[in-house]
Amino acid sequence: DAGVIQSPRHEVTEMGQEVTLRCKPISGHDYLFWYRQTMMRGLELLIYFNNNVPIDDSGMPEDRFSAKMPNASFSTLKIQPSEPRDSAVYFCASSLLPTGDTIYFGEGSWLTVV
Amino acid sequence: QKEVEQNSGPLSVPEGAIASLNCTYSDRGSQSFFWYRQYSGKSPELIMSIYSNGDKEDGRFTAQLNKASQYVSLLIRDSQPSDSATYLCAVNMGGGSNYKLTFGKGTLLTVNP
Repeated sequence: DAGVIQSPRHEVTEMGQEVTLRCKPISGHDYLFWYRQTMMRGLELLIYFNNNVPIDDSGMPEDRFSAKMPNASFSTLKIQPSEPRDSAVYFCASSLLPTGDTIYFGEGSWLTVV
Repeated sequence: QKEVEQNSGPLSVPEGAIASLNCTYSDRGSQSFFWYRQYSGKSPELIMSIYSNGDKEDGRFTAQLNKASQYVSLLIRDSQPSDSATYLCAVNMGGGSNYKLTFGKGTLLTVNP
């Protein structure tokens, strides 16, 4: 299997622009997670899905962030409008079970908002 | 706010020494604990999981858990330069089928040749 695939790997955008991050989970994994990593806050869970249904979005920082999972093989995380404080690495991960020992991370999307 | 705390480091050890990484957590009801390794510019990868009090060994790695003290540690024996990375402690604070894997900010380990 190719693992969790994220795109884009790197993005630089101007403040106020819309940003869409994409993720393809490992086939057969029922759980999909979006994490954000910064030096100040570490690795934070934003939202996770089970069988395409959002289960917990309590980590989504504000209404500017939204996530969707229209099918089992695709998810998006959208930021609109983007702000400089959104600059971070965004990881998508997928898992067979909701435990920490079956989770696989993608390579991350490095976002810089200027 | 449920938290996982780690010393940020950096922790520097000579090659061949034992590296000791520590982690405390706030949710006394947590049942599963994990250590991830993250090389610079890469994604986290699981290296150890532990669920019961005591020690769990896997090669050069030993995870230790003390639920009464809410403390988890990772020992790396015979440290190698290739072990240089950030080590993330993670605790599942969700309970039951609710997922809430909470990560510490990580400890940067440098192993000097």
